[in-house]
Amino acid sequence: AQSVTQLGSHVSVSEGALVLLRCNYSSSVPPYLFWYVQYPNQGLQLLLKYTSAATLVKGINGFEAEFKKSETSFHLTKPSAHMSDAAEYFCAVSRGNYGQNFVFGPGTRLSVLP
Amino acid sequence: DGGITQSPKYLFRKEGQNVTLSCEQNLNHDAMYWYRQDPGQGLRLIYYSQIVNDFQKGDIAEGYSVSREKKESFPLTVTSAQKNPTAFYLCASTPGQGLGEQFFGPGTRLTVL
Repeated sequence: AQSVTQLGSHVSVSEGALVLLRCNYSSSVPPYLFWYVQYPNQGLQLLLKYTSAATLVKGINGFEAEFKKSETSFHLTKPSAHMSDAAEYFCAVSRGNYGQNFVFGPGTRLSVLP
Repeated sequence: DGGITQSPKYLFRKEGQNVTLSCEQNLNHDAMYWYRQDPGQGLRLIYYSQIVNDFQKGDIAEGYSVSREKKESFPLTVTSAQKNPTAFYLCASTPGQGLGEQFFGPGTRLTVL
């Protein structure tokens, strides 16, 4: 069974500082990996996805993530945090065919301090 | 604009009552999903449907029921058998075989009094 872990349920950074949100997965087959963002009382919005093309994936709002097979990781980064980045971030892995097999991590709440 | 709509945004019900949450999509997606989200937790899959008139239980289906009579619609009923129904409910969809990303609706917050 596939699973996703996100280290740190809550991360705080200062405005302008580097954002690093960690995601590790377990998968018996090459996975598809995703990062989503959720603002309070809203649905999830896709930030970026890895689907076995380039290992460094660029997404919206200046975020990017690097797929590292040897470390089974897909960490999310942004060079400079903005106040508007404060939200909940979810890493997800597709565990096979037919899309019903998405597995979401528990989420990391990002706070941005002025 | 294409997308997923969920209604209502906020829903209040008395304990013991069944309640139906609406999910409609105009993306022409084949597969649709219902998730439950509790504070500080990730998303847990309730039910999913790959095609019309067919659906499967997810990880936490007990106390819930669904139907898929039309491609665009996938309503979720929270029954009185669900012991702790207060939560945020999210509907999602994917095109075709669904290896791509899931598209989410805005969610419905259900509070049972």
